Amino acid sequence: GQQVMQIPQYQHVQEGEDFTTYCNSSTTLSNIQWYKQRPGGHPVFLIQLVKSGEVKKQKRLTFQFGEAKKNSSLHITATQTTDVGTYFCAGNFGNEKLTFGTGTRLTIIP
Amino acid sequence: KAGVTQTPRYLIKTRGQQVTLSCSPISGHRSVSWYQQTPGQGLQFLFEYFSETQRNKGNFPGRFSGRQFSNSRSEMNVSTLELGDSALYLCASSLVVTGGTEAFFGQGTRLTVV
Repeated sequence: GQQVMQIPQYQHVQEGEDFTTYCNSSTTLSNIQWYKQRPGGHPVFLIQLVKSGEVKKQKRLTFQFGEAKKNSSLHITATQTTDVGTYFCAGNFGNEKLTFGTGTRLTIIP
Repeated sequence: KAGVTQTPRYLIKTRGQQVTLSCSPISGHRSVSWYQQTPGQGLQFLFEYFSETQRNKGNFPGRFSGRQFSNSRSEMNVSTLELGDSALYLCASSLVVTGGTEAFFGQGTRLTVV
């Protein structure tokens, strides 16, 4: 079936360290989106990647879409306490729905 | 512009009862999707509506149903509630097609079945 796997499930990092979460799909994606959910909140859209090999940056966040459009990553440089939350990737297989990864819960140790 | 509004925010129901949740999308958005979020299963897709038509359905039993009205507002219904239905139910609206553009999520309805 069309599934999106995301690792790791949890990540605890010291404030100032970098953080990366990865998403993988067994089949080609039309596009991939990334969302952040703060504790007690709802998912908030971060970015959408569409092109093979695409790299986009938002301040300390770097998003990549693999050449085969089957994997993606989100990298945060020099984490801050405001980065706490769960990061989800959501794949679009061209069937007009989003298939979410299981999420990576990021905890920052001050 | 007002965001996605879900009502009620919290709900406690007894096993066997039924429940109806409501979602008002962002004005002008025609696509509404529903998700179930639980700690163990993450965000699971329930169904998606576009212009009052259900275009996609996830792998949930027939007890879960939904509809969309001509003003794009959507409702989902769960009949014969089970303890395992306890979850955060999120709806998301998109301008056009789900997955093609960003999805805007509501605050969710926290359903507890006792």
